[in-house]
Amino acid sequence: AQKVTQAQTEISVVEKEDVTLDCVYETRDTTYYLFWYKQPPSGELVFLIRRNSFDEQNEISGRYSWNFQKSTSSFNFTITASQVVDSAVYFCALSEARYGGSQGNLIFGKGTKLSVKP
Amino acid sequence: EAQVTQNPRYLITVTGKKLTVTCSQNMNHEYMSWYRQDPGLGLRQIYYSMNVEVTDKGDVPEGYKVSRKEKRNFPLILESPSPNQTSLYFCASSPQQGVNSPLHFGNGTRLTVT
Repeated sequence: AQKVTQAQTEISVVEKEDVTLDCVYETRDTTYYLFWYKQPPSGELVFLIRRNSFDEQNEISGRYSWNFQKSTSSFNFTITASQVVDSAVYFCALSEARYGGSQGNLIFGKGTKLSVKP
Repeated sequence: EAQVTQNPRYLITVTGKKLTVTCSQNMNHEYMSWYRQDPGLGLRQIYYSMNVEVTDKGDVPEGYKVSRKEKRNFPLILESPSPNQTSLYFCASSPQQGVNSPLHFGNGTRLTVT
């Protein structure tokens, strides 16, 4: 069965520190999609990134980077030089291709609450 | 502006009083779904719809109903709400074939059942 595990419930760092949020997934499908969403204190869910299972290239977007490793079924998210505005709950999620290529049934991890202190 | 609109944002009600949370999207998306978010449990899918008149149960459908009579609307109905349905609810949509498109979420509805 599909499952997403975010072992870190809460992380607290001081501004400018680097921080990595872990995500481990389980799936039997060979084609699947992985996502990260951010939920700031205001409550909305903000899409950050989507990766498909055939693309293991790491991705960097500004201070954000993602490390996808199929060998360890992990899709970790690193924030470099963290800022107070990065404080949020971050969710990792998994979707399988059998749902017609759309996001189908998105399976979410339980989230990691990141607090960045000034 | 492309968006998913949920109403109301906040709702306090009493046990057993039927309520509906509306969800509307203006992006012509085929796929829509409802999630609930609870502390320590993350987001769990309640129901989803692949297209008009096509709905199916997610992981936690008990106590909820949905309908998809029009493409843009996907209301969530609680016929007889109970306190364990106190939660933060999110509606979401995406194109059916949109593997390059993210799931668009509404801003959430915080429901309290007393």
